[in-house]
Amino acid sequence: QSVLTQPPSVSGAPGQRVTISCTGTSSNIGAGYGVHWYQFLPGTAPKLLIYANSNRPSGVADRFSGSKSGTSASLTISGLQAGDEGDYFCQSYDSRLVNWVFGGGTMLTVL
Amino acid sequence: QLQLQESGPGLVKPSQTLSLTCTVSGGSITSPNSYWSWIRKSAGKGLEWIGRLDTGGGTNYSPSLRSLVTMSLDTSKNRFSLNLASVTAADTAVYYCAREGVDDFGDYYFESWGRGMLVTVSS
Repeated sequence: QSVLTQPPSVSGAPGQRVTISCTGTSSNIGAGYGVHWYQFLPGTAPKLLIYANSNRPSGVADRFSGSKSGTSASLTISGLQAGDEGDYFCQSYDSRLVNWVFGGGTMLTVL
Repeated sequence: QLQLQESGPGLVKPSQTLSLTCTVSGGSITSPNSYWSWIRKSAGKGLEWIGRLDTGGGTNYSPSLRSLVTMSLDTSKNRFSLNLASVTAADTAVYYCAREGVDDFGDYYFESWGRGMLVTVSS
């Protein structure tokens, strides 16, 4: 059971927009710790998509955006492409567990 | 561009020690303010942070694994290592090494990852 809660799957057609949620508690996201997002594609190294809630590293397309409010955060992917199909994970820090924590992951299917 | 590559045995027997190495290229593991982590992904527990090293060899381990984990730096070969003792089938996972980044608020994230290596614990 992961500390941060994500939907198991989301889907969308090419060109559409999807949003993946990440829900935490008062000891992690709600405590003000940053939320970061990662993309896992088959056969490649995991990739940092968003750090500190809404910041994109250099080289990440502006189709990817993040936001945070209260005890939850979201990753939005616009202009879906077939190459976006894979797993997406959120991550934060938990002061009660004294540990970095992750969401259970969301599988994105591009229809 | 920084690249990380995990290596080691893909099969470990129960009760033995899992040993993995992460070789870093395109940058030095002794770069100031660098932290190097191990993370694993399993079907049962999802993604789990195992621990981290700083450039001086200082360590910080997950509370749930602290008694079983040892990490070390090899600056001469620009690599770092993970040892996980007394493994069981529950330790079967894809193991990743990663370099941490830090944001303006002091929150750490994993900015560069290796491709990961599947380690199976089985007799």
